[in-house]
Amino acid sequence: DAKTTQPTSMDCAEGRAANLPCNHSTISGNEYVYWYRQIHSQGPQYIIHGLKNNETNEMASLIITEDRKSSTLILPHATLRDTAVYYCIVRSLKAAGNKLTFGGGTRVLVKP
Amino acid sequence: DGGITQSPKYLFRKEGQNVTLSCEQNLNHDAMYWYRQDPGQGLRLIYYSQIVNDFQKGDIAEGYSVSREKKESFPLTVTSAQKNPTAFYLCATKFRGWADTGELFFGEGSRLTVL
Repeated sequence: DAKTTQPTSMDCAEGRAANLPCNHSTISGNEYVYWYRQIHSQGPQYIIHGLKNNETNEMASLIITEDRKSSTLILPHATLRDTAVYYCIVRSLKAAGNKLTFGGGTRVLVKP
Repeated sequence: DGGITQSPKYLFRKEGQNVTLSCEQNLNHDAMYWYRQDPGQGLRLIYYSQIVNDFQKGDIAEGYSVSREKKESFPLTVTSAQKNPTAFYLCATKFRGWADTGELFFGEGSRLTVL
């Protein structure tokens, strides 16, 4: 699976949009981009995933660049409950063992 | 309630003792996974199973063992051979089949502390 690079941490003001970048310059054509988040001492929670088109659901939007070498997760109106570690992962659906490799993620702190 | 149940939530053990962490799911998912998380770190895969009576080693399987006798259950045993077992352990499941989106569903975790 391709490796990802994310900023270690970022702050965001409550009510504002949070834009979380992720670089995946070695992504291959059949690899999807997944985002998960982990609130302290809980299991990770799936947020969204995409292949090349932008995606939106009730939690967030995912913007993938045309060359697919980077993406941005957008939390449109951040709340205090969005404080968490956000993981960007790339993987193929057909990857052996369907392994997801989690890096260090971005620690997001939403401030009042 | 549909979901994944991990138990116990907190566990303390003495060095040299084996301990088994339970993971039960009623999501009817075929694939199950065990991850380990150390403070401030990401998740590392220990073992995974894609079907009953079959499992494979992940990236850090040494000192751990698993079984998959039932679809609903995937217990993890942390043996005395695991040199540094204190960690947060997470169980996950995934649907396999035509509607597989690759999404993993996680339990709430078990925190193991070796005294």
